[in-house]
Amino acid sequence: EAQVTQNPRYLITVTGKKLTVTCSQNMNHEYMSWYRQDPGLGLRQIYYSMNVEVTDKGDVPEGYKVSRKEKRNFPLILESPSPNQTSLYFCASSLGTGPGEQFFGPGTRLTVL
Amino acid sequence: QQQVKQSPQSLIVQKGGISIINCAYENTAFDYFPWYQQFPGKGPALLIAIRPDVSEKKEGRFTISFNKSAKQFSLHIMDSQPGDSATYFCAASGNAGKSTFGDGTTLTVKP
Repeated sequence: EAQVTQNPRYLITVTGKKLTVTCSQNMNHEYMSWYRQDPGLGLRQIYYSMNVEVTDKGDVPEGYKVSRKEKRNFPLILESPSPNQTSLYFCASSLGTGPGEQFFGPGTRLTVL
Repeated sequence: QQQVKQSPQSLIVQKGGISIINCAYENTAFDYFPWYQQFPGKGPALLIAIRPDVSEKKEGRFTISFNKSAKQFSLHIMDSQPGDSATYFCAASGNAGKSTFGDGTTLTVKP
């Protein structure tokens, strides 16, 4: 089944404890992206990758890191999480090198205490 | 700076009615305008999309109307059904990798 998977789906952590949210797609898509969703604010883009080894900042990159060493994986790293990063996170992928039709993962709900 | 403004924030429609959600954008470099549908506990899923070389696109009960000069586009849901109750997001993107979403509209279709 063609899909985007994220792990973990739920995570409660404490301020300052490094964490990684994994994202993997099995559709051989070039483009991958991370978004955060907060009530009333829609989806805001954190980082995106147009192809392997090429990543760039979205609208809200502060406090986040990403890497794209393989085509299928695009992990989101929070080196020192803070409570304002409590949010619902979505990974997405698209066939071409631009956003286009994006396929979203099921989401990761993160709570930082 | 919000590049895509979406309205209304919430919408209640009777079954069989027409639901209309509007979006306005600022960046003239945008060339792809999708609408996503999101059910509770799920990720957004593409509903319908349009490029600026056409003024309207219809897929079943869903229609996008696009006004390039006004920098506005809208989603029309004809014969709205309770199963259409969801959150709808408009979005816009260009050749660069950025993708900008509206704040979302929560649609409730009453039986």
